[in-house]
Amino acid sequence: AQSVTQLDSHVSVSEGTPVLLRCNYSSSYSPSLFWYVQHPNKGLQLLLKYTSAATLVKGINGFEAEFKKSETSFHLTKPSAHMSDAAEYFCVVSEGQAGTALIFGKGTTLSVSS
Amino acid sequence: GAVVSQHPSRVICKSGTSVKIECRSLDFQATTMFWYRQFPKKSLMLMATSNEGSKATYEQGVEKDKFLINHASLTLSTLTVTSAHPEDSSFYICSARGSSGRKNEQFFGPGTRLTVL
Repeated sequence: AQSVTQLDSHVSVSEGTPVLLRCNYSSSYSPSLFWYVQHPNKGLQLLLKYTSAATLVKGINGFEAEFKKSETSFHLTKPSAHMSDAAEYFCVVSEGQAGTALIFGKGTTLSVSS
Repeated sequence: GAVVSQHPSRVICKSGTSVKIECRSLDFQATTMFWYRQFPKKSLMLMATSNEGSKATYEQGVEKDKFLINHASLTLSTLTVTSAHPEDSSFYICSARGSSGRKNEQFFGPGTRLTVL
């Protein structure tokens, strides 16, 4: 069975500094991996996805993630945090064909201070 | 494109009443819709998967008689919380998967906050 573990429940950074949100996954097959962001009182927004193409995936708003099979990781990074990045971030896995039921990690709250 | 709406966005009801939540795909046909539940500061939990024209598949531990799901058309799925109780208070989120084009993506609605008094 597939699962995801988000290693940090809360990450705090200063504006302009790098962001690293960590995610490890467990999957029996070739997984599809996603990062979603949820702003307060807003719907979930897809940041980026990995579906067995390039291992370095670039997403919206300057975010990117690297799929490392040997480490079963899919960490999310951004070179320079912005105040508007403060939100809840979810690492998500789906086995086989993307679009089947998604398994969500527990989420990481990102706080950005000025 | 690929917009999913939910109605209502927020509902407060008395214990024992039933509440219906609608999920609509506004600009694409959704062969499959998913219903999730999110508790405060918690992850999303998949409740059920519904395919248009067939019965929903419920996840283990989800009462199908309490959470009635109907997916009568390619653009509409409804979740009815029957005889709601305070423990049903939560944030309910739907997602929809298209039947062509970007068929491998799920698009999420903005969620419905249910409060049962």
